[in-house]
Amino acid sequence: NAGVTQTPKFRVLKTGQSMTLLCAQDMNHEYMYWYRQDPGMGLRLIHYSVGEGTTAKGEVPDGYNVSRLKKQNFLLGLESAAPSQTSVYFCASSRPGPTNTGELFFGEGSRLTVL
Amino acid sequence: AQKVTQAQTEISVVEKEDVTLDCVYETRDTTYYLFWYKQPPSGELVFLIRRNSFDEQNEISGRYSWNFQKSTSSFNFTITASQVVDSAVYFCALGGTTDSWGKLQFGAGTQVVVTP
Repeated sequence: NAGVTQTPKFRVLKTGQSMTLLCAQDMNHEYMYWYRQDPGMGLRLIHYSVGEGTTAKGEVPDGYNVSRLKKQNFLLGLESAAPSQTSVYFCASSRPGPTNTGELFFGEGSRLTVL
Repeated sequence: AQKVTQAQTEISVVEKEDVTLDCVYETRDTTYYLFWYKQPPSGELVFLIRRNSFDEQNEISGRYSWNFQKSTSSFNFTITASQVVDSAVYFCALGGTTDSWGKLQFGAGTQVVVTP
């Protein structure tokens, strides 16, 4: 059982380039999220989705777009990368509702460097 | 707005010492959820515990224990008899209503270094 898989794991971009991070989960979870982790700031929510075909903005959505065309996949796009987007990106998924533990299942992270 | 403060940036202990990680939160929600996650050097994030705001009972799981005090808005985490494998960054996080699962506000994290 793979859980949450992120690709690519590492990427170096030049300012202005575009790229897409792919997140795939095989747990049939309804909710999916993209977080970024920066030193001294913990994790901050970029965008999230509560089901196939839905997306919503999190705390730091500017400069990113997302899509959830299939339940198992959640894509994070950078249309014009900026050095401020250098970060480690984590995808996560969870089941909705109060009966679960509230556990987020995280991917291994994707380290993005923008030069 | 919700806020989580982990004032300790780094804690260094010698193996077998106890270590307590502080977490103070702010929220206007009457129902909320508190979490602790562990991030070992390998980088993945591991769920440790969830605590509901209406359940102030402290919890112990092996060498781990959590002290939730609603009166002081704190949710502290203690590792008893620390081991080298406990070396990691620990994050405290705060969630809102049931519909907000995953929309967590994370603290900045506390780096725990356990030396033999």
